[in-house]
Amino acid sequence: DADVTQTPRNRITKTGKRIMLECSQTKGHDRMYWYRQDPGLGLRLIYYSFDVKDINKGEISDGYSVSRQAQAKFSLSLESAIPNQTALYFCATRGTGEGYTFGSGTRLTVV
Amino acid sequence: SQQGEEDPQALSIQEGENATMNCSYKTSINNLQWYRQNSGRGLVHLILIRSNEREKHSGRLRVTLDTSKKSSSLLITASRAADTASYFCATDNGRANSKLTFGKGITLSVRP
Repeated sequence: DADVTQTPRNRITKTGKRIMLECSQTKGHDRMYWYRQDPGLGLRLIYYSFDVKDINKGEISDGYSVSRQAQAKFSLSLESAIPNQTALYFCATRGTGEGYTFGSGTRLTVV
Repeated sequence: SQQGEEDPQALSIQEGENATMNCSYKTSINNLQWYRQNSGRGLVHLILIRSNEREKHSGRLRVTLDTSKKSSSLLITASRAADTASYFCATDNGRANSKLTFGKGITLSVRP
């Protein structure tokens, strides 16, 4: 099993729909992150969490919400999807002093 | 906003040649990391260099860090076609609420 698992891998949804992207990790780390990747823009941080009770906004949190259900699970929701939220979404986790471990990503298309 | 800025944006070399990629950043850091991303897939951590280190090696990878110039370089020696990917540098300020800030990436193409 992968250290960080994201579901679904691909999703097409309609404008205005609510959608949830799920992430689970088996590394036992407290820190988890959601990033968005757009062509030519690199990765931008949406939300991050340092433990179950600690949720923080990143640089582009508008239009998104998150839930940290357990140490291992961190889900990202789009309350009302819009076309400019079409992107590749990555979940990641890290331990102290380590590099990040990324999931394989969710390719989301909003039509 | 991006902290790290990679240079060049794209690099094409012949298999067997060395590839050098550069990263510059703006504010003080605790460490700098390099990642690789194969097309459309998740990023893979390659190497982490701390602010008190000047050079680090991992297999065919060599990373240098010059904190006075706020820059880092990643050297891949004896490149292979399988090294074709995008490479990102990311900086960590080491504070209690630290998170990585990524550059926009370098696209490396290694021709067989």
